[in-house]
Amino acid sequence: GAVVSQHPSRVICKSGTSVKIECRSLDFQATTMFWYRQFPKQSLMLMATSNEGSKATYEQGVEKDKFLINHASLTLSTLTVTSAHPEDSSFYICSAYRTNSGNTIYFGEGSWLTVV
Amino acid sequence: QQQVKQSPQSLIVQKGGISIINCAYENTAFDYFPWYQQFPGKGPALLIAIRPDVSEKKEGRFTISFNKSAKQFSLHIMDSQPGDSATYFCAASKYQAGTALIFGKGTTLSVSS
Repeated sequence: GAVVSQHPSRVICKSGTSVKIECRSLDFQATTMFWYRQFPKQSLMLMATSNEGSKATYEQGVEKDKFLINHASLTLSTLTVTSAHPEDSSFYICSAYRTNSGNTIYFGEGSWLTVV
Repeated sequence: QQQVKQSPQSLIVQKGGISIINCAYENTAFDYFPWYQQFPGKGPALLIAIRPDVSEKKEGRFTISFNKSAKQFSLHIMDSQPGDSATYFCAASKYQAGTALIFGKGTTLSVSS
């Protein structure tokens, strides 16, 4: 079964509004989670590294004020897309490190965001 | 600069054949090389991974071959089945907690029956 859960799996929002995506590690504590964005038929592009209790580290070119990441607990990280625009429509995927399984990274099922 | 280069972009293999996907990396600090399988609309799932201390790792029909000197690694899928039709991504990272994976561009595999 899934060890990393994302919610919602699909969301449609109006341009200019904000939307929050949750990423939960179900049966382990994850001090570090990662957020990726994937456009159709493209690869996964790392957006940011989320560390519990501290500020996220964003990759070059990713707007930290637009993509707000909060990692308030050892099992939950959230990505908030603020003032969403149609070009933000994408597949957002989170992943988490499970350190007691040989540093294996597990991915969530992804969240489809459509901005209309 | 693309740190992990993957080829081919797409691959068509007959049922029962061998599918081979290749990747090359640039950063010599990378020491963890996983392969992920992704079906449309789903998150990627770990298939198999290798570290540089071995040159080959096999799990069922999936084999990773690793060439440290050439900085290349490949995925072999033996006896390919229609259910293997998916997109495959190679990735690389440092093998330490908290290090993000860097992905190749992906290979779309179609196995014809």
